[in-house]
Amino acid sequence: ELKVEQNPLFLSMQEGKNYTIYCNYSTTSDRLYWYRQDPGKSLESLFVLLSNGAVKQEGRLMASLDTKARLSTLHITAAVHDLSATYFCAVEGAQKLVFGQGTRLTINP
Amino acid sequence: DVKVTQSSRYLVKRTGEKVFLECVQDMDHENMFWYRQDPGLGLRLIYFSYDVKMKEKGDIPEGYSVSREKKERFSLILESASTNQTSMYLCASSFPEKGTQNFGPGTRLTVT
Repeated sequence: ELKVEQNPLFLSMQEGKNYTIYCNYSTTSDRLYWYRQDPGKSLESLFVLLSNGAVKQEGRLMASLDTKARLSTLHITAAVHDLSATYFCAVEGAQKLVFGQGTRLTINP
Repeated sequence: DVKVTQSSRYLVKRTGEKVFLECVQDMDHENMFWYRQDPGLGLRLIYFSYDVKMKEKGDIPEGYSVSREKKERFSLILESASTNQTSMYLCASSFPEKGTQNFGPGTRLTVT
């Protein structure tokens, strides 16, 4: 059974700092997604990572995938308040997505 | 842009009531999904559908059923609502062959 774990689950940081969210999964998969959710809103797709070594970047967010380690990272560079949200990773398995628990990120001015 | 809409943003129902949650997408997606979201548990898949009149159980189907009579519409039914079904319900749709899922705004259901 595919399991997906994120850490940390809660992260409070200052503007301007760098940090990384980790997403580990338990069985082989060749497709991983990152989503963002603002409070009271739905999920917005950020990245799709399709192969080992894949790296995607948009603004201050960069996601990478290591399929051999079954690990994806979401790196935040020089955080700004607007990035405060909950971030989910999701892994494709058996025709459906399995989501991590989510990481609630709070960036303080 | 893909648009996925859900019939209600907030819903309050009593224990034992039959509850219908409706989801409509406008991008001709074959795949549609229903999730529930609870704090600390992430999203859990209730049911999904790959075609009209088709349905597959997800990870937590107990207490729920679904209906897909038209391609654009996927309904989630709580046959007899219970308090442990109080949750945020999210609908999503995608193309087949592992397309990115696009989510609706969610329905926050409270069962009292």
